Amino acid sequence: AQRVTQPEKLLSVFKGAPVELKCNYSYSGSPELFWYVQYSRQRLQLLLRHISRESIKGFTADLNKGETSFHLKKPFAQEEDSAMYYCALRARGSQGNLIFGKGTKLSVKP
Amino acid sequence: EAGVAQSPRYKIIEKRQSVAFWCNPISGHATLYWYQQILGQGPKLLIQFQNNGVVDDSQLPKDRFSAERLKGVDSTLKIQPAELGDSAVYLCASSLDPGGYNEQFFGPGTRLTVL
Repeated sequence: AQRVTQPEKLLSVFKGAPVELKCNYSYSGSPELFWYVQYSRQRLQLLLRHISRESIKGFTADLNKGETSFHLKKPFAQEEDSAMYYCALRARGSQGNLIFGKGTKLSVKP
Repeated sequence: EAGVAQSPRYKIIEKRQSVAFWCNPISGHATLYWYQQILGQGPKLLIQFQNNGVVDDSQLPKDRFSAERLKGVDSTLKIQPAELGDSAVYLCASSLDPGGYNEQFFGPGTRLTVL
């Protein structure tokens, strides 16, 4: 079965500290992985996808097929990074169906 | 460009009543999705349309939920009758391509409370 696990419901860090939001997945094939973010009172939006291999707002994520992980990292957290972060998986060949984790709330304290 | 529009934003009903949600996707987007997000969970796909045809409704509780996308543009999701466990945020999303491989853009959601 396809599943996405985000083990932390809440992650609290101080401004300037490194951040790592964990995501593990269960899928027998070769998936596409995404990170979505929802800032307070805003819509859910795409942050980054593993295919593009880019850094968005200082965040990066590397797909580790051996560990079936797609952790989201940022070296220096900012207060404006405070939000809900969702990891999502799409099976290759599926027509868009995203499977989301339960989300991690990131709180960056001043 | 205008984003995905949804209405109403909030709805409170009693169990066994009926309710309908409306979604207007981004102009030109072929694929439309309805997700259910229960408190503390991530969004879960209910149904996916490609133009006005259903691509995936495997997780839609068809005994009480129905959805349509007439003319391949707007969509409505209906619950009839509602149960307490249907309390959730219902998200609509759309993507440009028929295959659903492009970025999904989400609407603001409709928060349903069933009493």
